Amino acid sequence: DAGVIQSPRHEVTEMGQEVTLRCKPISGHDYLFWYRQTMMRGLELLIYFNNNVPIDDSGMPEDRFSAKMPNASFSTLKIQPSEPRDSAVYFCAILSNWDTGYTFGSGTRLTVV
Amino acid sequence: AQSVTQLGSHVSVSEGALVLLRCNYSSSVPPYLFWYVQYPNQGLQLLLKYTSAATLVKGINGFEAEFKKSETSFHLTKPSAHMSDAAEYFCAVSGSGSARQLTFGSGTQLTVLP
Repeated sequence: DAGVIQSPRHEVTEMGQEVTLRCKPISGHDYLFWYRQTMMRGLELLIYFNNNVPIDDSGMPEDRFSAKMPNASFSTLKIQPSEPRDSAVYFCAILSNWDTGYTFGSGTRLTVV
Repeated sequence: AQSVTQLGSHVSVSEGALVLLRCNYSSSVPPYLFWYVQYPNQGLQLLLKYTSAATLVKGINGFEAEFKKSETSFHLTKPSAHMSDAAEYFCAVSGSGSARQLTFGSGTQLTVLP
């Protein structure tokens, strides 16, 4: 998924620690999305941005979660403090236009122990 | 609000047989519809999309889907399954208005039997 680079690919952390997930869109876009995937809940939208402005954060589960997009080329999703139930795969995606559709990164697999 | 229902969380077909994965949507505005495939431990790859052009959409790897407004369906088909098609498939809907979020179905795990 050359359009979106996510880091790290894997993260293992202890409960209570702060976790920061990073997303770097390579190609141009107007929209950026953060999704979470779990076995129980499937793919859930957490938050999305339009031109770096948060549009809908109703999917952010708690105040422990926060997301920023300081510029068009970078976004972060932070969890503080982390809990075991936050263990999931977190995806970043972009939308440039309807011709290209939504492009997803490879995801960050987060494990909180 | 948009929603997607995928009928059948697991589908098994024999190699060479027809693949049919079902997707029904609910949308208050003309929808844009997508099928994504996810291989184990990988991200989501776009198979095909419907964005109000031709109702029969052809995608990658021999897959196609037909948008049927009267049935609110967007089923995914492939005439002949290959072992490499084994993966999880997600149908998703996005509104064409100001809301741009993609809403996913629960996914269908496709198994291809030799």
